[in-house]
Amino acid sequence: QVQLQESGPGLVKPSQTLSLTCTVSGGSISSGSYYWSWIRQPAGKGLEWIGRIYTSGSTNYNPSLKSRVTISVDTSKNQFSLKLSSVTAADTAVYYCAREWEDERGDWFDPWGQGTLVTVSS
Amino acid sequence: QSVLTQPPSVSAAPGQKVTISCSGSSSNIGNNYVSWYQQLPGTAPKLLIYDNNKRPSGIPDRFSGSKSGTSATLGITGLQTGDEADYYCGTWDSSLSAHVVFGGGTKLTVL
Repeated sequence: QVQLQESGPGLVKPSQTLSLTCTVSGGSISSGSYYWSWIRQPAGKGLEWIGRIYTSGSTNYNPSLKSRVTISVDTSKNQFSLKLSSVTAADTAVYYCAREWEDERGDWFDPWGQGTLVTVSS
Repeated sequence: QSVLTQPPSVSAAPGQKVTISCSGSSSNIGNNYVSWYQQLPGTAPKLLIYDNNKRPSGIPDRFSGSKSGTSATLGITGLQTGDEADYYCGTWDSSLSAHVVFGGGTKLTVL
């Protein structure tokens, strides 16, 4: 079955760009009609959807983060990536990647990666 | 402040039933399907319910979902200590800047 794994630096300095990669295994990122998404969770808080990418390259972003977020896909490596610029301490969170399903009325996420903690600190 | 409103906590005894509510508006729950996720301590969220009331393969029928108007409900029967977790609802928000929204999460304690 499909599995996802996040990777990237665990510590990022304020004002710099956070960069994470999600590697998909057990299936091709290009097969099926799925979106590939990033979701984050600050410690002790709820989930926040960051954005998603379709294998065609089309993207959707959370309006609260849109000016700082870029999500891209590399089908040759079966990976998709997140870049979040101008980070502050408020961006400290566990970052998850997930496969997003969509039908005519709803969206859902399955499976999820295990998550990776990113701390923004000097 | 989450777009979808959930109670911060609920509790019940083993074997009992509990419900968790998720309240939204016409731009999200009112016009879109709801999904539910279980997050055990220290782990990633896991899909429990999608399209309001459908269970993925492997999710026991002790878990159920329903929706009415701009609110959704997750029900869990035959509570087990292993059900202690945080539960989140999520849906698409079809407002001007369409995006996915989640509830703030509900901590379930099995007494």
